[in-house]
Amino acid sequence: AQKITQTQPGMFVQEKEAVTLDCTYDTSDPSYGLFWYKQPSSGEMIFLIYQGSYDQQNATEGRYSLNFQKARKSANLVISASQLGDSAMYFCAMRGPSGSARQLTFGSGTQLTVLP
Amino acid sequence: GAGVSQSPSNKVTEKGKDVELRCDPISGHTALYWYRQSLGQGLEFLIYFQGNSAPDKSGLPSDRFSAERTGGSVSTLTIQRTQQEDSAVYLCASSSQGSGLNEKLFFGSGTQLSVL
Repeated sequence: AQKITQTQPGMFVQEKEAVTLDCTYDTSDPSYGLFWYKQPSSGEMIFLIYQGSYDQQNATEGRYSLNFQKARKSANLVISASQLGDSAMYFCAMRGPSGSARQLTFGSGTQLTVLP
Repeated sequence: GAGVSQSPSNKVTEKGKDVELRCDPISGHTALYWYRQSLGQGLEFLIYFQGNSAPDKSGLPSDRFSAERTGGSVSTLTIQRTQQEDSAVYLCASSSQGSGLNEKLFFGSGTQLSVL
């Protein structure tokens, strides 16, 4: 069975600084995909970044990067140069063959607050 | 519209009543998902539709929950005889691929259901 763990219910960061949101996962599948989604107060989940288990390099998307450590089964999200608009709930998620390619397993989320 | 549209955005109902939640996916997207998000929790998979295939109903919590997708587009999630524990945000998502580890989902803003 797949499991995603986010151990930080809440995080604070000063505007313009970098922040790392933790995510660990558990799966017995050799092939899987890892995602991060952002959920602002409006409620809509917004895709941020994707990392495949066989990808050789860490994924990057603008100010977002994924620190993928396969041996440790961690997929931390790094946000550089935080902005006030980054304040939101952040969810780590995984899809793997055993969970079926159609289902995403989500973590419980981290509430990020960016301070001015 | 350009994104996934859900209605109503808020629904307050009395215990025991039936409710219908609507989702209008992005045009051309063949895959459609329903998720439930309870307060402070991650997303719980409910049901998945892919084209004309039989839906994956493995996440529905009880037989009071059902969903249909007419014409491969709009979907309705029905909760019969609502209970207070059904109170949650119900999120709909769609995607174009329907399968694959890197499948990216596009979410609506959700329906906040409150059962009194």
